[in-house]
Amino acid sequence: AQKITQTQPGMFVQEKEAVTLDCTYDTSDPSYGLFWYKQPSSGEMIFLIYQGSYDQQNATEGRYSLNFQKARKSANLVISASQLGDSAMYFCAMREGTGRRALTFGSGTRLQVQP
Amino acid sequence: GAVVSQHPSWVICKSGTSVKIECRSLDFQATTMFWYRQFPKQSLMLMATSNEGSKATYEQGVEKDKFLINHASLTLSTLTVTSAHPEDSSFYICSARDPSGRALYEQYFGPGTRLTVT
Repeated sequence: AQKITQTQPGMFVQEKEAVTLDCTYDTSDPSYGLFWYKQPSSGEMIFLIYQGSYDQQNATEGRYSLNFQKARKSANLVISASQLGDSAMYFCAMREGTGRRALTFGSGTRLQVQP
Repeated sequence: GAVVSQHPSWVICKSGTSVKIECRSLDFQATTMFWYRQFPKQSLMLMATSNEGSKATYEQGVEKDKFLINHASLTLSTLTVTSAHPEDSSFYICSARDPSGRALYEQYFGPGTRLTVT
């Protein structure tokens, strides 16, 4: 079974509007972390936001917020006031357990912001 | 924030030759580094976990004799693609975790190396 599922291969949003990118995950480990990364055409992975499994509140970082619904195992990324520079691939990722673990990535969502 | 560099940023080589990619943590010591591979329009797939001073741990399906990983120091891990073939053409990205960093969960990614085998 897929550990990280992103069901939206592509999304369009108008500039200045908000957009939600979906992510669901699957793990039996009670301790895990969820990440969102942005990958522009240059290829670099840009860290956006993190949510720990024990965090009580949804994470927020500027225009990014993570809608964490633990019971549903979802960790959707909300981008408010979209900008043209937000056009990129967005990856949801999970690290199971603690310590020195690698990340498992979803298939990604290509976001295009239209003027 | 912490910085991870990769060299080269892109390389073109002929089929049958070997290519070495370096991953450096510039301002922190990384006992563990990860190597990922990303084919065009696909996601990042973990290839191996590189541990300083010990053998790398490879993911299932990744040939350890083809993708040689050396983590000889706390700031450098290298990935050597031996006898490269066109199907090895991909984007290779490393990441490292700063165990002493403020955000212990955070992994820092290198800018990636685009390998094209002709």
